[in-house]
Amino acid sequence: KAGVTQTPRYLIKTRGQQVTLSCSPISGHRSVSWYQQTPGQGLQFLFEYFSETQRNKGNFPGRFSGRQFSNSRSEMNVSTLELGDSALYLCASRRTSGYSYNEQFFGPGTRLTVL
Amino acid sequence: KQEVTQIPAALSVPEGENLVLNCSFTDSAIYNLQWFRQDPGKGLTSLLLIQSSQREQTSGRLNASLDKSSGRSTLYIAASQPGDSATYLCAVSRDKIIFGKGTRLHILP
Repeated sequence: KAGVTQTPRYLIKTRGQQVTLSCSPISGHRSVSWYQQTPGQGLQFLFEYFSETQRNKGNFPGRFSGRQFSNSRSEMNVSTLELGDSALYLCASRRTSGYSYNEQFFGPGTRLTVL
Repeated sequence: KQEVTQIPAALSVPEGENLVLNCSFTDSAIYNLQWFRQDPGKGLTSLLLIQSSQREQTSGRLNASLDKSSGRSTLYIAASQPGDSATYLCAVSRDKIIFGKGTRLHILP
């Protein structure tokens, strides 16, 4: 069974631009979560989507948004990029949205560099 | 507010040694705790998942324990190998998944 895939793997943007990242979950998984990882803050939860609906949201500004499609693939969008948005963006998929008996599987990440 | 702490932040041990990584959390009302491994610049690989009703899980040379009442989990690695060098993260789940900042492990050949 194929794992979680993320595209692109690397991205370089300039301040003020916007970016869209894509995540394809493991087949049969309907929940996709997004995380931002930086050396200083560690892994921080952005949001979770399940059945095309946002189920949970972390403490990030509205410049960070996402969506999920009917095939469970998800996209994350960051508008008006800032230097501090440079990070590794990870997505993870789970079978369902509930947290019990529900292992999370991560993709390889997208490394975003904002110049 | 749930906080997850991993101590030490970094650890170097000679190959072949057994070692223990620690994870503590402030709110014992969790559904489960998961241990992950992350290689530099890569995604996370799930190692072990312990449900709140369980005390431990084992996979190969790895054993993870959970003591919910004291808010602690340990990851025991037996007979360490250079390939075990990575960052190890623990995460607890309830309404959200909260990660610790990890322990960076270096196994010396």
